[in-house]
Amino acid sequence: TQLLEQSPQFLSIQEGENLTVYCNSSSVFSSLQWYRQEPGEGPVLLVTVVTGGEVKKLKRLTFQFGDARKDSSLHITAAQPGDTGLYLCAGAALGGSARQLTFGSGTQLTVLP
Amino acid sequence: DAGVIQSPRHEVTEMGQEVTLRCKPISGHDYLFWYRQTMMRGLELLIYFNNNVPIDDSGMPEDRFSAKMPNASFSTLKIQPSEPRDSAVYFCASSPVPGGPIPTDTQYFGPGTRLTVL
Repeated sequence: TQLLEQSPQFLSIQEGENLTVYCNSSSVFSSLQWYRQEPGEGPVLLVTVVTGGEVKKLKRLTFQFGDARKDSSLHITAAQPGDTGLYLCAGAALGGSARQLTFGSGTQLTVLP
Repeated sequence: DAGVIQSPRHEVTEMGQEVTLRCKPISGHDYLFWYRQTMMRGLELLIYFNNNVPIDDSGMPEDRFSAKMPNASFSTLKIQPSEPRDSAVYFCASSPVPGGPIPTDTQYFGPGTRLTVL
């Protein structure tokens, strides 16, 4: 079983602050995805990273895949209340189906106005 | 496109009763996934289908759980008999066929069914 550990589990910050969420594993993944989930809804895909060391930016969000493809980080600059939600990382096992994902435990982010 | 549709959105039942959750994937998608989400265990994959055929059901917790996909536009997850520990939010997700503009590893989730077993 491939496990993905996310930290921190909970994060509460003021609007305008920066933050970083981490996703770590002892296993290598062929790709890693980040999702955001809002209350009462299903997760929504934000980004997929595939190459070790890859960095992708989505407006104020920066995603990085570790060189060894075992870890990833999500950095948010100047957080806004609309960024509030549960952030989940999900990995596709190396050598397995790209369709079968293992999800991390999640980081619950609250951005206070 | 209406997205992935799940019904019911909420289900409250008593221990021992049969529960059936329903899912309509996005038209044209060839993979369908059933997940369960709880505070303790997070989001867990239960089973997934490719072209209506079950590929991996190793995540199904017990024989009380069963899933079917009789055609490309409909799937069910059944729990019989239900137990209080089955209380969770159950999600259905689908992903697109190869060759289109959307990467095949993109999963689109439905809004979920919140199941409470008393």
